[in-house]
Amino acid sequence: QQQVKQSPQSLIVQKGGISIINCAYENTAFDYFPWYQQFPGKGPALLIAIRPDVSEKKEGRFTISFNKSAKQFSLHIMDSQPGDSATYFCAGNNAGNMLTFGGGTRLMVKP
Amino acid sequence: KAGVTQTPRYLIKTRGQQVTLSCSPISGHRSVSWYQQTPGQGLQFLFEYFSETQRNKGNFPGRFSGRQFSNSRSEMNVSTLELGDSALYLCASSPRTGGAYNEQFFGPGTRLTVL
Repeated sequence: QQQVKQSPQSLIVQKGGISIINCAYENTAFDYFPWYQQFPGKGPALLIAIRPDVSEKKEGRFTISFNKSAKQFSLHIMDSQPGDSATYFCAGNNAGNMLTFGGGTRLMVKP
Repeated sequence: KAGVTQTPRYLIKTRGQQVTLSCSPISGHRSVSWYQQTPGQGLQFLFEYFSETQRNKGNFPGRFSGRQFSNSRSEMNVSTLELGDSALYLCASSPRTGGAYNEQFFGPGTRLTVL
């Protein structure tokens, strides 16, 4: 049972453009929603995270928008750079440190 | 602070064998979680250890087990290996204070290939 659905699976964006990745969840017990960035050969690195009582969180070029009633959240990467090319995972957390991940989005930023 | 370290980084085993993977968390972190990453199933939670006790367990068969030592280092073991166990096994370290969620920091993973 996939409790977190992530789209799109892959995304190509021009340098300077906006990258948008969407996630939808089913488990209303999730209490924390992190985004991870993974480069080939590396483990996932925490990028930004949000709690369900907040509708938006911004850190530099990265913004999470959260819609609790729709059970959806999204990652926006402003002014996308070639160095942002990686795989991005959204996740929901419940029962302590138990993350349920989305399927991942492979982002390519063209120079 | 040093990050999460996992050993070995690469491992090749044959079906039916067993394997032990090791994880050293960030200094001061008391929680270690294990995840399996495959192209088909993505990232899946295996189990979490905190204060040498298993706190949560994912939907994996009993062939997958783990333990945590008093210094917070953790090992996971997979017995009777199957071809489908080929994956990147990731360890995540967290402070795990107060029972609430804390940020998890991942190691580079151990790439297991089962032939």
